[in-house]
This record gives sequence, C-alpha cells and structure tokens, in this order.
Amino acid sequence: NAGVTQTPKFQVLKTGQSMTLQCAQDMNHNSMYWYRQDPGMGLRLIYYSASEGTTDKGEVPNGYNVSRLNKREFSLRLESAAPSQTSVYFCASILGQSNSPLHFGNGTRLTVT
Amino acid sequence: AQTVTQSQPEMSVQEAETVTLSCTYDTSESDYYLFWYKQPPSRQMILVIRQEAYKQQNATENRFSVNFQKAAKSFSLKISDSQLGDAAMYFCAYRSTQGGSEKLVFGKGTKLTVNP
Repeated sequence: NAGVTQTPKFQVLKTGQSMTLQCAQDMNHNSMYWYRQDPGMGLRLIYYSASEGTTDKGEVPNGYNVSRLNKREFSLRLESAAPSQTSVYFCASILGQSNSPLHFGNGTRLTVT
Repeated sequence: AQTVTQSQPEMSVQEAETVTLSCTYDTSESDYYLFWYKQPPSRQMILVIRQEAYKQQNATENRFSVNFQKAAKSFSLKISDSQLGDAAMYFCAYRSTQGGSEKLVFGKGTKLTVNP
C-alpha cells in the first residue's frame, strides 16, 4: 500500500548506543518530518525537510541528526541515546500544499534504558 | 510562534451521545489551516477534518463537524452519535500558509472515552 513506511516498529537501546530510524514515502511528497510523541506533550517537531537537499531544526532537535537521502527517504539518527529520548517517533510527509494533510507512518516505539 | 491549546486532557461520552472537544490557538496570521487528527490505540494518526481559515463555513465530515470561531481563535470538534470506535486521542493542529513552511503545530491532545 502507498504511504509512509517507518522501520523499525520497536527498539530498545542502552544509554550511549546509536541507531537510525528509517522513513520512506512513495507518494512523491516534497516535505518530510520527524515528530516525537510523549504522554501529555502531544507531538513535537524534531526536524523537517521542506524539499530534497534541505533540512531544518524543529522544536526539539537536540540529540538528533537527520538526512534527506533523496526525495523518498528521510532518516533520523540518535548518536548517543539517552533515557530522555524514550518516546514514540513518527515520520510524516506532505505534498507541499498547505491545506493538504500530513500523512503519517505507524510510529517507532523507542525505549532507552 | 504559533501555539495550540487543548484544555481538556480527558473527556468521556455515552455511546450515541454528542461530545465537543475544545481547541484554541494563538497566531497573528490571517490565513492558515486547522486540522483534527484521531489516534486510536493502534497508534496510527488519522485525519478527521480540516478547515481553511478563509472559509466562513464550518467543515463537516459525516458525524464530525467543527465550530470555527476565527475572532476567538477557537476550533472545536463535535462528534455526533458517538460510537465505540471513536474512542481515541484527538489532536488539534495548526499550519501556517506563510514562509513556505508546512510545519504542523499540535496541541497536547484530548483522550476521548466512549462508554457503552
């Protein structure tokens, strides 16, 4: 099915370990986003990419890096995981028109011990 | 920066009844878009309804409708004839039309329980 695909679905890391969350969309969308969801906090924007080749910080970028590998793929990297990064991570994409809805992946539940 | 406030962390409704979820936002812009998303226990984010700020008519989608009060910066969601499948987290979101940015700003969510 067309949409936004995130991998993995679940991950457990130890403090200090690194990992990359993968995201790909097959809808030819221009913009892609990484959000984190924490209880009582809603969704907060980590990084976004308005178009291929560009990335910008969102509300909570510290501890993360991103790569817009091509138009389809937008990865999120944790270089040295911390317990505060325990969260559910969502990738999303949009065609580019402001009244278009965001299309979300199914999320990655990350636990850092 | 724009902010979105959902003042009801939790709400409950009886099956077949009507419930209204509140959302207010803060912006200095005149043109923007507003959205309601539903997140069931499956974690999937599902678009419920959207509203363009320049439209005076309130958006409706089947049992879901909004009460958009631009001057008051209020965007509430009304769910009529509530069903058990409506139980979920509901998020209100704002998007600017300026600056070429399509970022969505979300509220903290309202957890809706539907009682049989």
